[in-house]
Amino acid sequence: DTGVSQDPRHKITKRGQNVTFRCDPISEHNRLYWYRQTLGQGPEFLTYFQNEAQLEKSRLLSDRFSAERPKGSFSTLEIQRTEQGDSAMYLCASSYEGRGYEQYFGPGTRLTVT
Amino acid sequence: AQSVTQLGSHVSVSEGALVLLRCNYSSSVPPYLFWYVQYPNQGLQLLLKYTSAATLVKGINGFEAEFKKSETSFHLTKPSAHMSDAAEYFCAVSEGSYKLIFGSGTRLLVRP
Repeated sequence: DTGVSQDPRHKITKRGQNVTFRCDPISEHNRLYWYRQTLGQGPEFLTYFQNEAQLEKSRLLSDRFSAERPKGSFSTLEIQRTEQGDSAMYLCASSYEGRGYEQYFGPGTRLTVT
Repeated sequence: AQSVTQLGSHVSVSEGALVLLRCNYSSSVPPYLFWYVQYPNQGLQLLLKYTSAATLVKGINGFEAEFKKSETSFHLTKPSAHMSDAAEYFCAVSEGSYKLIFGSGTRLLVRP
């Protein structure tokens, strides 16, 4: 069990550019979650997958955001036409349905939009 | 909808002193409650969870929390603070069986 991994750990981009983040969950976990955390705040739910199906998207996830989880394994989160307000830590978590709902988090990707 | 309130954005204790971090929740159904710890520039690590079994829950690193339904509280305690406990602590409630709703966090400072 190598834990949840995220890539890259840091990303600096200019406003208007597109960025993509990757998350690799714990291998046997069938649920995968994305959260966003801004400075001084707790994480906020963005979206989650059960296997390859995206089952809920938060209202925080504007049309510029898209997430995928092909084949129910790794997931990607893409932000198009980035804005300065997108600067945040993007956290990925995974869990196995039925095991007490505990979610295991990755180290996060810190995005800075200049 | 569920919500979480953490009283005190910063708590400062001396090394060896009692740690008490407060969390109150709002939930229309029996809640699942969690405490996570976050060190600088890292993800969140699960400390402990309450899932309707024993009301006193023991976690890692000597932390424990007590679920009090009458007070809608789930406060985190540790008898003796260590310098390595300095971090940000988040209380969370599970909405449905998937989404975690987090409080705004409490930063614990440990004075030598």
